[in-house]
Amino acid sequence: EVQLVESGGGLVQPGRSLRLSCAASGFTFDDYAMHWVRQAPGKGLEWVSGISWNSGSIGYADSVKGRFTISRDNAKNSLYLQMNSLRAEDTALYYCAKPCGGSCFDYWGQGTLVTVSS
Amino acid sequence: DIQMTQSPSSLSASVGDRVTITCQASQDISNYLNWYQQKPGKAPKLLIYDASNLETGVPSRFSGSGSGTDFTFTISSLQPEDIATYYCQQYDNLPPGMYTFGQGTKLEIK
Repeated sequence: EVQLVESGGGLVQPGRSLRLSCAASGFTFDDYAMHWVRQAPGKGLEWVSGISWNSGSIGYADSVKGRFTISRDNAKNSLYLQMNSLRAEDTALYYCAKPCGGSCFDYWGQGTLVTVSS
Repeated sequence: DIQMTQSPSSLSASVGDRVTITCQASQDISNYLNWYQQKPGKAPKLLIYDASNLETGVPSRFSGSGSGTDFTFTISSLQPEDIATYYCQQYDNLPPGMYTFGQGTKLEIK
């Protein structure tokens, strides 16, 4: 059974940093790119970042480019998101998502909540 | 960047009704269009991939169609458990890809 378990969220002041983690199991992790998708309270879904299976190709939404860094450790079946210079508008539930092999996301974690507030 | 316009933003329908949601892309995205269902407090669930393919285990009352810039998601006979918010999502063909979600459609029972 595929499982994605996010952790690392919490309350942080504007301008500070936070590192999210996603522990994956139930599939061959290094066969897939992986992604982060976020959802602000009461709002829609926003793709944040994605990383290819070998970390050779990485993409970011314009809203986080230059502040967030995605990475992965295939030996640990883990995905990470380093978030720097956090802003109030980064407040959201952050989901780890596995791509389906095509253009979709077929498995999602339960999310980890990041609140940026003074 | 490709923009997605999803409509309507909310919809009220009766059990048994046929429900249709549309999504329009700002440029040709071939069939790189997927549909998700999200219930309150839950992660999104993939329903339709590549515009018209039903994900395994998803009831056949859900369907999708379209290609290029115009896409449609249909529930043929609305059930009470279908109350949720529905999102379209497109993929811009650059590895690892840029993804954009529609604004969402909140579906309620009349």
